[in-house]
Amino acid sequence: DAKTTQPNSMESNEEEPVHLPCNHSTISGTDYIHWYRQLPSQGPEYVIHGLTSNVNNRMASLAIAEDRKSSTLILHRATLRDAAVYYCIPLHQYDMRFGAGTRLTVKP
Amino acid sequence: DAGVTQSPTHLIKTRGQHVTLRCSPISGHKSVSWYQQVLGQGPQFIFQYYEKEERGRGNFPDRFSARQFPNYSSELNVNALLLGDSALYLCASSLGDNTDTQYFGPGTRLTVL
Repeated sequence: DAKTTQPNSMESNEEEPVHLPCNHSTISGTDYIHWYRQLPSQGPEYVIHGLTSNVNNRMASLAIAEDRKSSTLILHRATLRDAAVYYCIPLHQYDMRFGAGTRLTVKP
Repeated sequence: DAGVTQSPTHLIKTRGQHVTLRCSPISGHKSVSWYQQVLGQGPQFIFQYYEKEERGRGNFPDRFSARQFPNYSSELNVNALLLGDSALYLCASSLGDNTDTQYFGPGTRLTVL
């Protein structure tokens, strides 16, 4: 199973961009990289996923390194509602293994 | 459209009892996964069911079992409850394709006394 490394915590100011890094150096070639977030007292929420190319959706952008050993989730303008724990998950054969994630604090 | 629903919301049991948790997936989703989340940790994968067959299992003892019904809803059963089983139990549904984007319910908070 691919192991992930994420910072325990990060801080951002409201309205500023946030770059959340993730290392997944043992990822398999066919594993999709998923990002989920979990707001306080809620279940995890899907954010974005990708395989090789950078991806954009209404919530965020995902930048994937050329060697696929790392990826970065980009929130273009952080809001207070983006305060959550963000999980980076290489999905291997339907087995979604959450790590400890990065706790993002957004300051007004 | 309704999201993933779980019942009950909260549950209190004593050691040795058994518990059944229920999950209804998003309409059209054929896969259901179960996770255990202990306070302060990320969710831990327990099972995934697809088309009523077990497709994946995490590192949990045989006291944990699950099944999926013809309407794709699912039950998680835990026997011989231990204090350490106290956790938030999350259900997620998905189409079950190779990208397997999962949509989570609000969870069932189980307390074992």
